[in-house]
Amino acid sequence: DAMVIQNPRYQVTQFGKPVTLSCSQTLNHNVMYWYQQKSSQAPKLLFHYYDKDFNNEADTPDNFQSRRPNTSFCFLDIRSPGLGDAAMYLCATSRAISTGGPSEQYFGPGTRLTVT
Amino acid sequence: TQLLEQSPQFLSIQEGENLTVYCNSSSVFSSLQWYRQEPGEGPVLLVTVVTGGEVKKLKRLTFQFGDARKDSSLHITAAQPGDTGLYLCAGRYFRTASKLTFGTGTRLQVTL
Repeated sequence: DAMVIQNPRYQVTQFGKPVTLSCSQTLNHNVMYWYQQKSSQAPKLLFHYYDKDFNNEADTPDNFQSRRPNTSFCFLDIRSPGLGDAAMYLCATSRAISTGGPSEQYFGPGTRLTVT
Repeated sequence: TQLLEQSPQFLSIQEGENLTVYCNSSSVFSSLQWYRQEPGEGPVLLVTVVTGGEVKKLKRLTFQFGDARKDSSLHITAAQPGDTGLYLCAGRYFRTASKLTFGTGTRLQVTL
């Protein structure tokens, strides 16, 4: 089945120790998104790639970076995790938007990050 | 980050009861999606609505898109414990077509 895969599902890192979360998709979608979600809140968009074009949200801290080496994979790098970065990180994909056409976002299962 | 107004925030009901969740915006959506999210998992897409006044049904769930495409509702008939979860509406606006604006979420608990 076509899907969005995130690894690992659970990640524990130490305060200040860089960590990388990965996302892969078999949907062949142009657009990939990274969201941060804290307990019982709505997902918060960090950035997205439209093909190779990187789009950063204005309020995303510089501590968060992303790479998309090819269509299928996208990585989230947290350079120096703080305690406040503990959250669920969600990857999502969608097809490119055409005029008047909806394009649903499909989410992966998420990676729960713990910072000790 | 802009969020859509979603109500109620929390809902605890017994099995067999009906409920409605609302999602409102002051701007027109090009499309709107509803997701359900269980603890520790990613949101799962339930439905997409596009046309004003559109009604879609998914088993016991009925989704309606407002005529003006600024609001939507989700109605669950005869709720079951398996319906428990966080329900999120997410709208796409014309001016930010590649991004979704999420609702604040409704946490539903259905007990026996």
